[in-house]
Amino acid sequence: RKEVEQDPGPFNVPEGATVAFNCTYSNSASQSFFWYRQDCRKEPKLLMSVYSSGNEDGRFTAQLNRASQYISLLIRDSKLSDSATYLCVVNGGYNKLIFGAGTRLAVHP
Amino acid sequence: GAVVSQHPSRVICKSGTSVKIECRSLDFQATTMFWYRQFPKKSLMLMATSNEGSKATYEQGVEKDKFLINHASLTLSTLTVTSAHPEDSSFYICSATRTPLQGGYTFGSGTRLTVV
Repeated sequence: RKEVEQDPGPFNVPEGATVAFNCTYSNSASQSFFWYRQDCRKEPKLLMSVYSSGNEDGRFTAQLNRASQYISLLIRDSKLSDSATYLCVVNGGYNKLIFGAGTRLAVHP
Repeated sequence: GAVVSQHPSRVICKSGTSVKIECRSLDFQATTMFWYRQFPKKSLMLMATSNEGSKATYEQGVEKDKFLINHASLTLSTLTVTSAHPEDSSFYICSATRTPLQGGYTFGSGTRLTVV
């Protein structure tokens, strides 16, 4: 089993749509969780951290369910500029980040 | 915010030669930096953890004699791919953080290595 698993994608959605990404992790001792965004042939950039209470940043909402070892990201009112690969990331201990394979999102007009 | 500079951004080299990639934290001191490799349409895979003043810690399956890491100062880590082969062609990315628990990992812009 992979340490971090994500929806394979790709997701093709029209502008304005709401899209949800799911992720599960295998190490129940993990303490820190993040969503990163990676554009084609670029480095990953932190989108948001994920907290147990859930957190929101504009059109983006992240949720964490420790009991199910499940993380989600919801994007509302999708924009063309949201097209990218979204990476679910878990701190694997010793501050090492474990990346999911990523889910590609394509928002079309 | 934290800035990490990686150089070069792109390099093409012949088989058998060595390539050095630099990763610098420009506005903070990083006792630990990380080196990743990413193949096309694949996720980032951690290669090694670079520790200032001590030996790097390599992930399972990564050859330490092939991927030499030096972290001689709090702002610079280097990765040298020795005796490069075409299968080493990949996207190499470094990262560092001031606040690991808050997820403030900053990545360098990456180095696209092509071995011909």
